[in-house]
Amino acid sequence: QSALTQPASVSGSPGQSITISCTGTSSDVGGYNYVSWYQQHPGKAPKLMIYDVSNRPSGVSNRFSGSKSGNTASLTISGLQAEDEADYYCSSYTSSSTGYVFGTGTKVTVL
Amino acid sequence: QVQLQESGPGLVKPSETLSLTCTVSGGSISSYYWSWIRQPAGKGLEWIGRIYTSGSTNYNPSLKSRVTMSVDTSKNQFSLKLSSVTAADTAVYYCARTAVDGMDVWGQGTTVTVSS
Repeated sequence: QSALTQPASVSGSPGQSITISCTGTSSDVGGYNYVSWYQQHPGKAPKLMIYDVSNRPSGVSNRFSGSKSGNTASLTISGLQAEDEADYYCSSYTSSSTGYVFGTGTKVTVL
Repeated sequence: QVQLQESGPGLVKPSETLSLTCTVSGGSISSYYWSWIRQPAGKGLEWIGRIYTSGSTNYNPSLKSRVTMSVDTSKNQFSLKLSSVTAADTAVYYCARTAVDGMDVWGQGTTVTVSS
């Protein structure tokens, strides 16, 4: 199974909005509404930020939102803050392994 | 709340078998899937596989021939074995509680180095 495709880096100024894309195939992103997003700060374990394409776990800021169109999912961070600077990974359930595949990862920089 | 803790040798020799255990505390291991994920230094996340508390497993096709997962519900633990390791298997290994829609609880990760 091939990794989902994400941009290597995205940047924005404090207060701005940024969007990270995650492109897969009809066997993963396009075929299921089981896309999740993870935030990872350096040296830390990933943290679930979005599940089922657009749902936020309890405690996650509503500045984080998710969506999907066809084979591409997106994570939008609005009102960008310094603490949002981290690596972000998408993930999807995939029929190729009846398991999961992660995206290539995106480094978010707050200018 | 549920917490996960990985444990196992930090150094494994090439061609040998990597063995890790994840201990679940603060909740029951039952009725969930549990995954192993790894991350080489400076690289992205790779899903290795998952196990249900019944013992049913699903593995990443790229690792399937070398991976074995098991679960011990009496100890609230699940385990990973990866055989015939090479330097390419050097990574931080995470365990995570897994629902079909996401991995919501993660361990802190344990670093495994493959070297003679």
